[in-house]
Amino acid sequence: DGGITQSPKYLFRKEGQNVTLSCEQNLNHDAMYWYRQDPGQGLRLIYYSQIVNDFQKGDIAEGYSVSREKKESFPLTVTSAQKNPTAFYLCASRRPGLASNEQFFGPGTRLTVL
Amino acid sequence: GIQVEQSPPDLILQEGANSTLRCNFSDSVNNLQWFHQNPWGQLINLFYIPSGTKQNGRLSATTVATERYSLLYISSSQTTDSGVYFCAARGQGAQKLVFGQGTRLTINP
Repeated sequence: DGGITQSPKYLFRKEGQNVTLSCEQNLNHDAMYWYRQDPGQGLRLIYYSQIVNDFQKGDIAEGYSVSREKKESFPLTVTSAQKNPTAFYLCASRRPGLASNEQFFGPGTRLTVL
Repeated sequence: GIQVEQSPPDLILQEGANSTLRCNFSDSVNNLQWFHQNPWGQLINLFYIPSGTKQNGRLSATTVATERYSLLYISSSQTTDSGVYFCAARGQGAQKLVFGQGTRLTINP
């Protein structure tokens, strides 16, 4: 079954701890993205990667870090430097190109800082 | 970068009514997508429509790229249509999909 998986679904963290959110896709997509959504708001881009071993900051990258060692995987680390980490985090992917420019999303991870 | 605005922010209708959601964007686009966010938060792809018109059951969408807007039509609304509808656009040559603030649709029985 092709798709994007995110784990865990819910995550609780104490203040001062780093935490890593997983995102895996088996769609053979080159580009992957991380978004943050706060209650009642739209999505804001944290980081994106167009190819393995390369990634760029989005609009709200401060306090986050990523890696892209494999095409299928794009984990996001929320560090203790992120001041308001409680949010809903969504991972997405797409296969850039004229015929297929559509972006698809995973089910999301809800992070709560206690 | 590109700006995306959606209207109205909230829409409350009775079951069976028709609705039109609007998305304005500030620049030429190579991607325009409509999503429905379900109660669990997942974004469901409705349409990939940088230009033209598409239909899928009771839903249809039209994008007029030259006038920089897109419309999502929902006919004969059902309570299961409730939720937040997002429009997102990617400008020509850009890598980022920019989201509007969404339209919260409530369908009452």
